Amino acid sequence: GENVEQHPSTLSVQEGDSAVIKCTYSDSASNYFPWYKQELGKGPQLIIDIRSNVGEKKDQRIAVTLNKTAKHFSLHITETQPEDSAVYFCAASWGSSASKIIFGSGTRLSIRP
Amino acid sequence: GAVVSQHPSRVICKSGTSVKIECRSLDFQATTMFWYRQFPKQSLMLMATSNEGSKATYEQGVEKDKFLINHASLTLSTLTVTSAHPEDSSFYICSVGGHHTNQPQHFGDGTRLSIL
Repeated sequence: GENVEQHPSTLSVQEGDSAVIKCTYSDSASNYFPWYKQELGKGPQLIIDIRSNVGEKKDQRIAVTLNKTAKHFSLHITETQPEDSAVYFCAASWGSSASKIIFGSGTRLSIRP
Repeated sequence: GAVVSQHPSRVICKSGTSVKIECRSLDFQATTMFWYRQFPKQSLMLMATSNEGSKATYEQGVEKDKFLINHASLTLSTLTVTSAHPEDSSFYICSVGGHHTNQPQHFGDGTRLSIL
């Protein structure tokens, strides 16, 4: 089955700097890659997603890149703010809303003021 | 507004009791819902896929007789943890498939289960 690896497990950056989280997946059939932000005591919230027919997607300060050949995808957050502090999860799926999502291990991002 | 409602948000009960958690799709009818478990400082692990009108599909290693799933309507799936023990204490989260096939899943806010 699918296996998603995520690095780093913890990340601390100065406010205003950029943060990058990287993930790899194992199943070449995966074609949908969402990223979630989870705050303490809450469920994960989708922040951005990308499908395998696209190499890059951007939404304001957040961008995601996908390298299908290498089975790598990354999350980039620019101009980080204190409210960006949370746990971030990458995930992989087969694309249908009825398909199960396999999560990475998570990255705890801390923004230093 | 919220797309998925999960209830209760927190429950504390004695070892040996059964606990039911509800997951409701608020905006649309969902033929598929998913149940995850998350231990402290760990990732979400899929437990089972809940299919309306049919039996749930459980992931390897998840006891179907321990974690009973009922998806009797298109807007409600329930997870019952039977004869709960302290090791069942965890954060249980449901998700609902998007209204259309290419839409993302929406997650509930989770249920913190503590077994004493």
